Amino acid sequence: QQQVKQSPQSLIVQKGGISIINCAYENTAFDYFPWYQQFPGKGPALLIAIRPDVSEKKEGRFTISFNKSAKQFSLHIMDSQPGDSATYFCAAISGGSNYKLTFGKGTLLTVNP
Amino acid sequence: DAGITQSPRHKVTETGTPVTLRCHQTENHRYMYWYRQDPGHGLRLIHYSYGVKDTDKGEVSDGYSVSRSKTEDFLLTLESATSSQTSVYFCATSGSHYEQYFGPGTRLTVT
Repeated sequence: QQQVKQSPQSLIVQKGGISIINCAYENTAFDYFPWYQQFPGKGPALLIAIRPDVSEKKEGRFTISFNKSAKQFSLHIMDSQPGDSATYFCAAISGGSNYKLTFGKGTLLTVNP
Repeated sequence: DAGITQSPRHKVTETGTPVTLRCHQTENHRYMYWYRQDPGHGLRLIHYSYGVKDTDKGEVSDGYSVSRSKTEDFLLTLESATSSQTSVYFCATSGSHYEQYFGPGTRLTVT
């Protein structure tokens, strides 16, 4: 049973555009929602994260929007750049589960110059 | 980023042979995790450790075992490798519980 559903699987955006990746979760015990960025041949790197008591968090060009009632959260990349081309994973974690991460299946983002 | 190294970085082995992957961290993090990454499946948790000699199973633990005899090292063992275990394996560590940091990965091919 997949507890975190991520969409789309792939996304192509023009340079300067906005990239939007969506995730939905089922387990209401999740209390921390990170996003990871992965470049080919590298390990995932923590990009930005949010807790459910906050509706939005912004770090530079990256923003997480969180809708607790709908159990959905999304990543927005403003002014997308070719260097943002990577695979993005949303994830969720519960402190009550020994902090085990549950990942979405990933979104391959391509930003065309 | 946490100082995490994985060894070997690449390995080709034959079906039925034992394989051990090593994760070493220099951050004194309490929690350590092993994941595998496969196309279409994302990252899936194999085993994790919440302290020295304290380990537990993840969602895809069959065919794998782990050991952690000291804080800095977490070993993943495939007792008898199968072709279905061909994958990229990532180790992760966490000191603040919620933030996990990943190593560079080990690409394992079982022929």
